[in-house]
Amino acid sequence: QVQLVESGGGVVQPGRSLRLSCAASGFSFSKYGMHWVRQAPGKGLEWVAVIYNDGNNEYYADSVKGRFTISRDNSKNTIHLQMNSLRAEDTAVYYCARDRTNGGNVHDDWGQGTLVTVSS
Amino acid sequence: DIQMTQSPSTLSASIGDRVTITCRASQSISTWLAWYQQKPGKSPKLLIYEASSLQSGVPSRFSGSGSGTEFTLTISSLQPDDVASYYCQQYNRLWTFGQGTKVEIK
Repeated sequence: QVQLVESGGGVVQPGRSLRLSCAASGFSFSKYGMHWVRQAPGKGLEWVAVIYNDGNNEYYADSVKGRFTISRDNSKNTIHLQMNSLRAEDTAVYYCARDRTNGGNVHDDWGQGTLVTVSS
Repeated sequence: DIQMTQSPSTLSASIGDRVTITCRASQSISTWLAWYQQKPGKSPKLLIYEASSLQSGVPSRFSGSGSGTEFTLTISSLQPDDVASYYCQQYNRLWTFGQGTKVEIK
């Protein structure tokens, strides 16, 4: 079955960088788009970024554009989220989610999430 | 940007009740609307996509309807296992979630 396992979360100071990873298994990874979605403590869901199956298209929420970069390695069934210039408002659980198609659809499977805390 | 507004924010109902949650888009999104369920401490789960298509494995008491800017999620007979927060999401232009509706048992 589909398995998505996030890693890389932790405590980081404002202005610093962090790189999240998501390891996928149980499906043909190169056929599916992949997303990052976050949830601040006690708050709702916020879509962050998407990368299409071939890695040639990526889109970002305005709140992270220019600071975050999504990437994928289809040979390793892995996606990453490089987060630079982190702010307190980036504190959240970050979920990796599979797109239902190659990248422009809904999130039909989710990982368990990894917590990022931005604090001095 | 497309904004999504859900109502109510919190809903309390009895077991067996019919429950309806409404989601409104700030502009027309055709039927590019999904619904997710998130139980406390868990990851979200896809319930409905394309406004009314039931995701595989989701109980048939869940249904979705609507198009354009007005959408509804209906639980035909509320069960204890349905205690959760529910989120709508548009995917017509990028992706935007509603603020969520918390469903409780009365």
